[in-house]
Amino acid sequence: ETAVFQTPNYHVTQVGNEVSFNCKQTLGHDTMYWYKQDSKKLLKIMFSYNNKQLIVNETVPRRFSPQSSDKAHLNLRIKSVEPEDSAVYLCASSLLGVEQYFGPGTRLTVL
Amino acid sequence: QQKVQQSPESLIVPEGAMTSLNCTFSDSASQYFAWYRQHSGKAPKALMSIFSNGEKEEGRFTIHLNKASLHFSLHIRDSQPSDSALYLCAGTGGYKVVFGSGTRLLVSP
Repeated sequence: ETAVFQTPNYHVTQVGNEVSFNCKQTLGHDTMYWYKQDSKKLLKIMFSYNNKQLIVNETVPRRFSPQSSDKAHLNLRIKSVEPEDSAVYLCASSLLGVEQYFGPGTRLTVL
Repeated sequence: QQKVQQSPESLIVPEGAMTSLNCTFSDSASQYFAWYRQHSGKAPKALMSIFSNGEKEEGRFTIHLNKASLHFSLHIRDSQPSDSALYLCAGTGGYKVVFGSGTRLLVSP
């Protein structure tokens, strides 16, 4: 099956903890993204990687750090989570930066 | 940073009606434009896209891009209850993607 896969589906944690999310795409795309979708469904790009090189790094808190081992994998680590980090984190991939293919998302709840 | 204004915020239409959704971009930074549809609890999925000025039709869906006025629209003919979803427009320029705030569409049977 060719698609974008994300783990975990849900994660509940407490303020100050560290969390990691994983993303893998089997579409053969060259670009991967992390988006944050808040409770109002606003979708904002956080990071973009092209062939495992960081090419877009929007203004996000420094506790967020992406990691890419190859062009099919993109992970997101959040050190010391805050309540405002509660959201759905969507991973996506594209070929040459056009049509986005999204994964199912990871819903993070910070208590 | 480019901004995208999407209107209306929400819309209720009867089944069979024509639905029109609109986006206006703040500048001409984007070269590729797309509409995405997100059903409740699901991930966004691309609906239609366009690079150049003009119109494109696929089944009941038509998109229209006017780069001079920075206006991008989606029209749904014969709207169906299954079209009820959040619709997001997006512009892409140089691997940077900006999304509109979305229009919640409800098609009542």
